[in-house]
Amino acid sequence: GAVVSQHPSWVICKSGTSVKIECRSLDFQATTMFWYRQFPKQSLMLMATSNEGSKATYEQGVEKDKFLINHASLTLSTLTVTSAHPEDSSFYICSARERGGPLAGLYTEQFFGPGTRLTVL
Amino acid sequence: AQSVTQLDSHVSVSEGTPVLLRCNYSSSYSPSLFWYVQHPNKGLQLLLKYTSAATLVKGINGFEAEFKKSETSFHLTKPSAHMSDAAEYFCVVSLWGYNKLIFGAGTRLAVHP
Repeated sequence: GAVVSQHPSWVICKSGTSVKIECRSLDFQATTMFWYRQFPKQSLMLMATSNEGSKATYEQGVEKDKFLINHASLTLSTLTVTSAHPEDSSFYICSARERGGPLAGLYTEQFFGPGTRLTVL
Repeated sequence: AQSVTQLDSHVSVSEGTPVLLRCNYSSSYSPSLFWYVQHPNKGLQLLLKYTSAATLVKGINGFEAEFKKSETSFHLTKPSAHMSDAAEYFCVVSLWGYNKLIFGAGTRLAVHP
């Protein structure tokens, strides 16, 4: 199957600093990438959907100025947590959907990255 | 609105015995349903998906699920558990395929020798 990588796999930072997380589709072109957040022992919550070359669409309750998403190419999306605070500590997971034909998006599988664990001190 | 409820947060079975992970969904339209597995420190892996074709769906690693519209259920089963099946399992619903996935709370499967 298609491979999605995330970097870094874990990061520890001080409160007030910004952290950038990269999501890459290694062997396919991803027109759409998704960012999820997972708290310990909880499910994944969609934060935002990003389409290559356009602004991300954020879910209700997600601060777009705090969680900056850039999808500048068909293989790379970045999530920047700005002015991070301890409550932003979480597991961040991205997924990518392959570019497809006329029915793309109906049944095109999302491939998930391994996740990035962020700890803000 | 769409939602999915996983009825058990933890399931424990002995190796070689059947596995049943329960999932009920709510959707105003014909849903697409999926089961994903998450092993520690690894990405989510798609086990199987239902997209309005056959109601009995076979997936990888011997798992299968049956879509029952009358019961709004999509339970995941496996005839014989293996130690390597121990992981977190997520039932997921989506309208119109993969546009937006809504995850259940997850079921942690433990497999004992």
